[in-house]
Amino acid sequence: AQSVTQLGSHVSVSEGALVLLRCNYSSSVPPYLFWYVQYPNQGLQLLLKYTSAATLVKGINGFEAEFKKSETSFHLTKPSAHMSDAAEYFCAVSDRRGGADGLTFGKGTHLIIQP
Amino acid sequence: NAGVTQTPKFQVLKTGQSMTLQCAQDMNHNSMYWYRQDPGMGLRLIYYSASEGTTDKGEVPNGYNVSRLNKREFSLRLESAAPSQTSVYFCASSVGQGAWQYFGPGTRLTVT
Repeated sequence: AQSVTQLGSHVSVSEGALVLLRCNYSSSVPPYLFWYVQYPNQGLQLLLKYTSAATLVKGINGFEAEFKKSETSFHLTKPSAHMSDAAEYFCAVSDRRGGADGLTFGKGTHLIIQP
Repeated sequence: NAGVTQTPKFQVLKTGQSMTLQCAQDMNHNSMYWYRQDPGMGLRLIYYSASEGTTDKGEVPNGYNVSRLNKREFSLRLESAAPSQTSVYFCASSVGQGAWQYFGPGTRLTVT
């Protein structure tokens, strides 16, 4: 069974500061990994995904994430936070065994941007 | 393209009532999914359909049934609603395994 752990249910950073949201996964096979963002009262929007190409993945809105197999991590970063980045962020994993069994999500990290 | 659409947006039910949540996608995707989102729990998979004509249970299927009506539509039915089913329900679709999932805007359901 696969699982996702997001460290920190709330993260607060100042506008212009580095954003780091942590995600660790467990999976018995090499996974696909995803970051989604959810703005208030909206659905989830894909930020970026890792599917075995480059380990550093660039996404929308200046976000990127690095897949580190040795650490089983897929942390999300952005060099300079903007007020519009305030949202809920979810890390998700899907294994590669075939079929379409859905994603396993972490519990989410609420990103707060301080002016 | 409308993407993934869900109806209704909001619903209030009394315990024991039944209802069907509708989901449709216009992206010609093979796979469709139903999730529920609860505070502090992330999203949990209820049911999924890998392709037209097939459905499978996810992590939390109890109390729900689904129908993959055709390639476009995937409905979720609550036969006898319970307060524990108060949640936000999201439908999603994807081309298939490993592809990212596109999410609908959600249905906020309250069971009193």
